[in-house]
Amino acid sequence: DVQLVESGGGLVQPGGSMRLSCGASGFKFSDHYMDWVRQAPGKGLEWLGRIRMKIYSYTTEYAASVKGRFIISRDDSKDSLYLQMNSLETEDTAVYYCVRAGEGATLDYWGQGALVTVSS
Amino acid sequence: QSALTQPPSASGSPGQSVTISCTGTSSDVGHYNYVSWYQQHPGKAPKLLIFEVSKRPSGVPDRFSGSKSGNTASLTVSGLQAEDEADYYCGSYLVNNRYVFGTGTKVTV
Repeated sequence: DVQLVESGGGLVQPGGSMRLSCGASGFKFSDHYMDWVRQAPGKGLEWLGRIRMKIYSYTTEYAASVKGRFIISRDDSKDSLYLQMNSLETEDTAVYYCVRAGEGATLDYWGQGALVTVSS
Repeated sequence: QSALTQPPSASGSPGQSVTISCTGTSSDVGHYNYVSWYQQHPGKAPKLLIFEVSKRPSGVPDRFSGSKSGNTASLTVSGLQAEDEADYYCGSYLVNNRYVFGTGTKVTV
């Protein structure tokens, strides 16, 4: 079975940084685009960004709201996805989901989410 | 990129049908047949229901169906059941290689 497990969430002060990790299992990680999506408390889903596979040079795309502050990376040897978040703001408080991109540019498997709280 | 527009809420009695719309533009919903629908129960991660406008992943009941016309996609839930009470989000690939979700619809049974 496909499993995605996020880790690294918690409390961080405004202006600080945090790195989320996502461990993947049950599929060939290196063959898939991987995305990050977040959901602020009581709000809807917000797509954050995507990283492609090695054959596409691990290129990335970002939502305008996080471009320049967030960095997505991956380590195929560890079946792991990462989200480095810098210059965090209170508005970045959310549950962050690691998501596999499947056929048809859809988001077919989701992790359970990691809560990030930005507060002083 | 603005979120796709969905009605905030929809409701129906058990056994009835409910249809949720998802309106975008020619740069997203209208450009590709890459519209998906996701179901999210409270406190849970979203789950893929429909991809490529009308395809169902294995395990998703055929009570869930999708369609698209122009810049608007739709999700129909037929034969409503109590467990269908959840939030539903559409999502679409964009011409600039990004992705956008809808505003979300709360379905009450």
